[in-house]
Amino acid sequence: EAGVTQFPSHSVIEKGQTVTLRCDPISGHDNLYWYRRVMGKEIKFLLHFVKESKQDESGMPNNRFLAERTGGTYSTLKVQPAELEDSGVYFCASSQDEYRDITEAFFGQGTRLTVV
Amino acid sequence: AQKITQTQPGMFVQEKEAVTLDCTYDTSDPSYGLFWYKQPSSGEMIFLIYQGSYDQQNATEGRYSLNFQKARKSANLVISASQLGDSAMYFCAMREESYNTDKLIFGTGTRLQVFP
Repeated sequence: EAGVTQFPSHSVIEKGQTVTLRCDPISGHDNLYWYRRVMGKEIKFLLHFVKESKQDESGMPNNRFLAERTGGTYSTLKVQPAELEDSGVYFCASSQDEYRDITEAFFGQGTRLTVV
Repeated sequence: AQKITQTQPGMFVQEKEAVTLDCTYDTSDPSYGLFWYKQPSSGEMIFLIYQGSYDQQNATEGRYSLNFQKARKSANLVISASQLGDSAMYFCAMREESYNTDKLIFGTGTRLQVFP
C-alpha cells in the first residue's frame, strides 16, 4: 500500500511568486492534514480536511494560503504571493475514520519550500 | 491551550545503550492522546508509539516504550538497545480534539545521535 506522497520534495522560488504543493493521501483516508515546520521551531497545524470539506483551517497563517481538496482525494496548498517567512517544510498527513480510538496520522516526506 | 515541551534539543547515546527523550505536556482536557514520531534524514515522519490518557499501562512497541506519568504530565520515550539507525529527530505530539477539530500539537523535537 502506498503511503502519503507529496510533490515536489523541494521548491525554491523568489519572493512574490506562486507555488503549489500537492499531497496524495493514503487511499481511503478521509482525513487530510497540512502542517508546517519553520526552521528550528515546532511543527504547526495548518488545516484539516474531512473528505472534500475544510473541517478546521484555524492554523492557516493568512489569505495568501489556499488549500483545496477537490473530490476528497488529493489536496493542493497554494501560496500566492510567497514571502520569505513562508520558508519551511510543509507536511501532509492522512488518517482513517476520526471516530476510531487511535487515529495515528501517517505523514508524507514533506516539501521543503525556500523563498529567496 | 494545549502545549508540548521537549527540553532536549540534542541527545547522544552509544550504540546498544538505552536513551530517554523527555516530553512534558499541558492540557486541561481529561481525554487526550500522546504520540511520538521519528523523522530520519530522509524527511518522512514515522509514527512510533501512542499513549491514551486513560490507558492504565505504559505503551510499548518493540524497542520503544513510553514512560507515562500522568500526575507529572510527562510522556517520555525510552529507546532500548539503541541502533545507529535510530539517529533522527524525534517529535512528541498531543492530539487535540474538539467538536470541529482533530489535530496534533507538536513539540520542537529532539535530535538523537547514536554513535558506535
